[in-house]
Amino acid sequence: EVQLLESGGGLVQPGGSLRLSCAASGFTFSSYAMNWVRQAPGKGLEWVSLISGSGGNTYNADSVKGRFTISRDNSKNTLYLQMNSLRAEDTAIYYCAKDQARGVTTADDYWGQGTLVTVSS
Amino acid sequence: EIVLTQSPGTLSLSPGERATLSCRASQSGTSNYLAWYQQKPGQAPRLLIYGASSRATGIPDRFSGSGSGTDFTLTISRLEPEDFAVYYCQQYGSSPRTFGQGTKVEIK
Repeated sequence: EVQLLESGGGLVQPGGSLRLSCAASGFTFSSYAMNWVRQAPGKGLEWVSLISGSGGNTYNADSVKGRFTISRDNSKNTLYLQMNSLRAEDTAIYYCAKDQARGVTTADDYWGQGTLVTVSS
Repeated sequence: EIVLTQSPGTLSLSPGERATLSCRASQSGTSNYLAWYQQKPGQAPRLLIYGASSRATGIPDRFSGSGSGTDFTLTISRLEPEDFAVYYCQQYGSSPRTFGQGTKVEIK
């Protein structure tokens, strides 16, 4: 059974940093691209970042470029999101999501339950 | 960036009725890499449709997707009580991946 478990959320001051983790199980982690998607309170979904299975390719939304870094440790089956220079508008539930198929552009077939990040003084 | 516009914002229907949700892309670069997700309060999104018209594993056949180019549709043939939720379209054919703003299907 595929499982994705996010952690690392919490309350942080504007300008601060936070690292989110997503522990994956139930599939060959290194074979699949992974994503971070966020949802501000009461709002819609916003794609944040994608990383290829090998970790060699990453893509980011313009809203987080230069501030957020996606990475993965395939030996630990874990996805990360390093968030720096946090702003109030980064407040959201952050979901990790698995791409559906190997090596090609696909939708996201499994999602974690999310971790809440609150940026406030 | 491809902007996805969903309509209507809210759809008020009764169980048993047919729901038709629209998703329009600002340009044709999706290459039919269009997905639909369902989200219920307090839950993560669930993949319903990918490739514009393929049902994901375990999704009932009352859900169907259609369309190509810039115009896509999600149809729920007969609404069940558990179908009342928010639905999002997403294009994953070009970076950045983008979502529509969502359509809420509520009980009339």
